[in-house]
Amino acid sequence: DQQVKQNSPSLSVQEGRISILNCDYTNSMFDYFLWYKKYPAEGPTFLISISSIKDKNEDGRFTVFLNKSAKHLSLHIVPSQPGDSAVYFCAASAVGYNFNKFYFGSGTKLNVKP
Amino acid sequence: EAQVTQNPRYLITVTGKKLTVTCSQNMNHEYMSWYRQDPGLGLRQIYYSMNVEVTDKGDVPEGYKVSRKEKRNFPLILESPSPNQTSLYFCASRGGQGDYSPLHFGNGTRLTVT
Repeated sequence: DQQVKQNSPSLSVQEGRISILNCDYTNSMFDYFLWYKKYPAEGPTFLISISSIKDKNEDGRFTVFLNKSAKHLSLHIVPSQPGDSAVYFCAASAVGYNFNKFYFGSGTKLNVKP
Repeated sequence: EAQVTQNPRYLITVTGKKLTVTCSQNMNHEYMSWYRQDPGLGLRQIYYSMNVEVTDKGDVPEGYKVSRKEKRNFPLILESPSPNQTSLYFCASRGGQGDYSPLHFGNGTRLTVT
């Protein structure tokens, strides 16, 4: 059962515009959400996270939004740059309940066109 | 530099020939885990370890073994590899129990079993 879903396998955006990547989850026990970025031939790199007590977290050009009632997570990148082209994974964990597991989405490949 | 190191990066083997993928972290993390990445399925957890001599199964443990004799090392063992274990493997680590901290990943091992 996929508890974390990324329904868009790919996204193409013009440089300078906003990129919005989406993620849905099913488990209401999740209390920690993360976004990872992955370049080819490298491991996933942590980008930004949010705990369930917040609905927004910002770090430079990256903002993560959490809508608990909709069980929906999104990552906004503004402005998008060609170097942002990568595969983005969302992940979730129920740290307060089961520290041991992170659940990952299947990834969204972002292409930022110059 | 804080890092998770996996070796080898690429491995081609034949069915039934035992192999080991090594993983080492220098961050004194208690928690370590192995994931496999397959197209359309995201990252799935194979095994994890909460500390030395403490290991447990993840979501897809069949055909794999692990050991945790030292805090820094967490090797993945395939006693009798089969073609369905052809995949991209990642080792990851993070801090201790109840810690809202991200996973840190190695650069991956691409395994092909013929």
